[in-house]
Amino acid sequence: DVKVTQSSRYLVKRTGEKVFLECVQDMDHENMFWYRQDPGLGLRLIYFSYDVKMKEKGDIPEGYSVSREKKERFSLILESASTNQTSMYLCASSNIRGTEFFGPGTRLTVL
Amino acid sequence: DQQVKQNSPSLSVQEGRISILNCDYTNSMFDYFLWYKKYPAEGPTFLISISSIKDKNEDGRFTVFLNKSAKHLSLHIVPSQPGDSAVYFCAASANTGNQFYFGTGTSLTVIP
Repeated sequence: DVKVTQSSRYLVKRTGEKVFLECVQDMDHENMFWYRQDPGLGLRLIYFSYDVKMKEKGDIPEGYSVSREKKERFSLILESASTNQTSMYLCASSNIRGTEFFGPGTRLTVL
Repeated sequence: DQQVKQNSPSLSVQEGRISILNCDYTNSMFDYFLWYKKYPAEGPTFLISISSIKDKNEDGRFTVFLNKSAKHLSLHIVPSQPGDSAVYFCAASANTGNQFYFGTGTSLTVIP
């Protein structure tokens, strides 16, 4: 079974803090993705990566950056957290054009 | 601009009846489609897929229908069970890229 893990299930941070969300997959997938899910807006793609050290902006990259130093790990960074970044963050991985498999999600609250 | 749309935010169905969830898309280059199921506080789990060379794919109680001319797909669940209560997302991708585009989700409630 594909396993995608995320470093935290719940996280509470203060405005202005730097936040790291980590994602690890164990299936040697080329592609990795970060989404946020908000009520009524569905899943919105923040960034994705199709190879180590490669990254592509998704639909809503503003306020976020990513890092992919190793194939299995994809990190999402909030340089200076703001209250409008309170959301559920979902990481996914896939082979090229394959089904995306999701992690359990991180519920981030920014106070 | 939303390329994949799920126009019904919610749906309620009696246990044992059929649930039909709909999804429309605008990009004619989309050729691979997925449905995901999501419970609260969990990540989406893959349910069923269909490629554009088919118009139907079935897996147990779940069947996905694709109407390419109408740019429409639907997920049928029959018979519906209370454990099917969840948010369902459809997603689509084109052969030109790796990205999937997701709909906004439909919350299904199956009433016992």
